[in-house]
Amino acid sequence: QQQVKQSPQSLIVQKGGISIINCAYENTAFDYFPWYQQFPGKGPALLIAIRPDVSEKKEGRFTISFNKSAKQFSLHIMDSQPGDSATYFCAASTSSNYQLIWGAGTKLIIKP
Amino acid sequence: EAQVTQNPRYLITVTGKKLTVTCSQNMNHEYMSWYRQDPGLGLRQIYYSMNVEVTDKGDVPEGYKVSRKEKRNFPLILESPSPNQTSLYFCASSLQGQLNTEAFFGQGTRLTVV
Repeated sequence: QQQVKQSPQSLIVQKGGISIINCAYENTAFDYFPWYQQFPGKGPALLIAIRPDVSEKKEGRFTISFNKSAKQFSLHIMDSQPGDSATYFCAASTSSNYQLIWGAGTKLIIKP
Repeated sequence: EAQVTQNPRYLITVTGKKLTVTCSQNMNHEYMSWYRQDPGLGLRQIYYSMNVEVTDKGDVPEGYKVSRKEKRNFPLILESPSPNQTSLYFCASSLQGQLNTEAFFGQGTRLTVV
């Protein structure tokens, strides 16, 4: 029930294309869903986050889509650039527990 | 500059030789945690601390110890390291409050136990 399942494990997208990474969860008590971006040799850094009171959040080229009934959320990267090549992690947590539950990560490669 | 600092960045050690990985944050965050990152397994929480002198087990605490004597420091101790503890370790900190907030990560410590 605590798991967050992330797919795909790896993804190759052409420059200018749309990258889509999906996550699914079981625990309906989750109320915070962040995405983190990690470059090689660095720690993860918060990219964008959403709460379940909205179905979509957009920040520049990055959009989170949230489907509460399906218990799924996804990250869309529009106009993907080589600089977006990184590992992306979804996560979830509840307001009563500060423990983040992490997806397994997606290695994204943007081909020039 | 707001940051989480881990040391060392790289460490090769032998089985059974006690080691400590230090973690320090300068943001006055209450919440600190340790993760290990392994290919295909994502980030797994080892221990966390919600404030000074308060620590609790995460998902994979076996073989690790932590302490939180000061707010800014949260060292990870491996009393008797084994090869299955070879991994990439991250320390993270965040503000504690009613709403979840951003976790700030250190640069990581790559540990090899031979």
